[in-house]
Amino acid sequence: SQQGEEDPQALSIQEGENATMNCSYKTSINNLQWYRQNSGRGLVHLILIRSNEREKHSGRLRVTLDTSKKSSSLLITASRAADTASYFCATDDSGYALNFGKGTSLLVTP
Amino acid sequence: DAGVIQSPRHEVTEMGQEVTLRCKPISGHNSLFWYRQTMMRGLELLIYFNNNVPIDDSGMPEDRFSAKMPNASFSTLKIQPSEPRDSAVYFCASLSLGQGEGYTFGSGTRLTVV
Repeated sequence: SQQGEEDPQALSIQEGENATMNCSYKTSINNLQWYRQNSGRGLVHLILIRSNEREKHSGRLRVTLDTSKKSSSLLITASRAADTASYFCATDDSGYALNFGKGTSLLVTP
Repeated sequence: DAGVIQSPRHEVTEMGQEVTLRCKPISGHNSLFWYRQTMMRGLELLIYFNNNVPIDDSGMPEDRFSAKMPNASFSTLKIQPSEPRDSAVYFCASLSLGQGEGYTFGSGTRLTVV
């Protein structure tokens, strides 16, 4: 079953701009993860944030988590054309299997 | 490590035929997941194995689907008989449970049933 829901469904920006994607979920979670999927490829894990964390950074990525609002955001700073992909949030609410949203499609134009 | 390896990458089969998808997880990972991805339904969990034992198969759509994990380095997902609505991309992912890391996905098998 799907729990995470990303917003927006699609986002188009120019290189150098920042991209922000949001994720909302319904039930309590152990952690929330973000994945990237390039066209025709498998998903690649980007970052994991635990329920007791509020913010996490990894390179140009910044993830926030607000458990009171059941929401998370992924910020990609100084975007590049190579960041063009679909981005998925996934929630771990069972201790093992992840529930994925339908993703945000990001297009970064030169 | 070569990552999670799935085969075949593409499969086109006729309705009614048996289809077998294969997955080799990362060595040392003790959990394995099969997901199906379609435009309409997104990523759906089909079945989850921990230490080669099926833990949750509630996502398997119907009895036509079956999955096995005979050892720690190999899993199969079988559809028999296949139907056009089974057309999707099937992903295998593995994880070292308890490590607090994300899943490692294979490149997927794109199945087309005609």
